[in-house]
Amino acid sequence: IQLTQSPSLLSASVGDRVTLSCKGSQNINNYLAWYQQKLGEAPKLLIYNTNSLQTGIPSRFSGSGSGTDYTLTISSLQPEDVATYFCYQYNNGFTFGSGTKLEIK
Amino acid sequence: QVQLKETGPDLVQLTQTLSITCTVSGFSLTTYNVHWVRQPPGKGLEWMGAMWNGGGTDYNSAFKSRLSISRDTSKSQVFLKMNSLQTDDTAKYFCARQWDWEGYFDFWGPGTMVTVSS
Repeated sequence: IQLTQSPSLLSASVGDRVTLSCKGSQNINNYLAWYQQKLGEAPKLLIYNTNSLQTGIPSRFSGSGSGTDYTLTISSLQPEDVATYFCYQYNNGFTFGSGTKLEIK
Repeated sequence: QVQLKETGPDLVQLTQTLSITCTVSGFSLTTYNVHWVRQPPGKGLEWMGAMWNGGGTDYNSAFKSRLSISRDTSKSQVFLKMNSLQTDDTAKYFCARQWDWEGYFDFWGPGTMVTVSS
């Protein structure tokens, strides 16, 4: 399964509601996770199984979707959210999306 | 607490073999699966393969027969070995723990950067 993320680069202001998209080449059956990766660090799990928030992750992060289309939403962008975000599917094999780089405007 | 740490060479010569060790703590390799993921500089993440808790392995077909994953449960270590290295194998290599039977990774090592030099 191939994952296409859009946009590849997103610039938004602090406090904005931000939406990142991930589209699969086949049905992912909700086996979709989101990772946040800051520069020089390992990826950090934010969301698993489409919409389950990992322990310790702020509630401004949420996930939704079904079938082939999934979304990560940040309800109010904070400066510490600057990072690259990757979607990842584990329905059929293991595949990462190409990432969305999020920056502050 | 759960920790993973990769150790390996900083530099490997073209066509040579890469060996990286992932040492884990806070959990058992006989209970959890451990995966290898790599990331070329400035690029995305690529799943390489897995060591299953039962001792079996699974590999990304993109690596064909170049890649081998093994473990020593007594030392809580998982090993990655890849031969015939090329310059596009220059990357940061991560090991990560798979949560239970779900397919996502809940803990990652910090990664080790490997440069393939000609």
